[in-house]
Amino acid sequence: GDSVTQMEGPVTLSEEAFLTINCTYTATGYPSLFWYVQYPGEGLQLLLKATKADDKGSNKGFEATYRKETTSFHLEKGSVQVSDSAVYFCALSLYNNNDMRFGAGTRLTVKP
Amino acid sequence: NAGVTQTPKFQVLKTGQSMTLQCAQDMNHNSMYWYRQDPGMGLRLIYYSASEGTTDKGEVPNGYNVSRLNKREFSLRLESAAPSQTSVYFCASRGQAQETQYFGPGTRLLVL
Repeated sequence: GDSVTQMEGPVTLSEEAFLTINCTYTATGYPSLFWYVQYPGEGLQLLLKATKADDKGSNKGFEATYRKETTSFHLEKGSVQVSDSAVYFCALSLYNNNDMRFGAGTRLTVKP
Repeated sequence: NAGVTQTPKFQVLKTGQSMTLQCAQDMNHNSMYWYRQDPGMGLRLIYYSASEGTTDKGEVPNGYNVSRLNKREFSLRLESAAPSQTSVYFCASRGQAQETQYFGPGTRLLVL
């Protein structure tokens, strides 16, 4: 079935390091793809999204490109900050938008 | 504009007890959702309501019931709680023709 697989964590980086969190998907149609972020004790917040192949979503220095040929939507940031410490979820939304599938989440810790 | 609110924030139940989790949104969204979040499994959809007066099962509906009380409110009921229902529960909403879901802060439920 339709699903999302993201790299297992936890990921620990030093401040200003480069971040990549891998995400791949399996879908029968043409899903929209999302990255959500969850800060400690809070609900999920949309970080960025892409709705079709080759689209690049970006926000707060994070980027991800919808790659249909590799069925991937990897999250990247050039220089992480301590405030980026959170759990990151990759997700896809199917055609009716009522069935959103989430990855297991990747916990990122950034140390000063 | 509070967005999506959930009550209570935290609850402890004994096996067999019942309770209702409340969710409300003030964004005039048509669709509302209940998810559970378990370690290593991401978020899984329990039930959703595409519009006022309708509800549908998601991926893991067993042991739960829902009520879409009006456009603003969508409640989740556990009739006879089980330890397997220990989880963090998130409510979300989505506007018509939008893809992004907006999440509440979550309810942490512990069933002993």
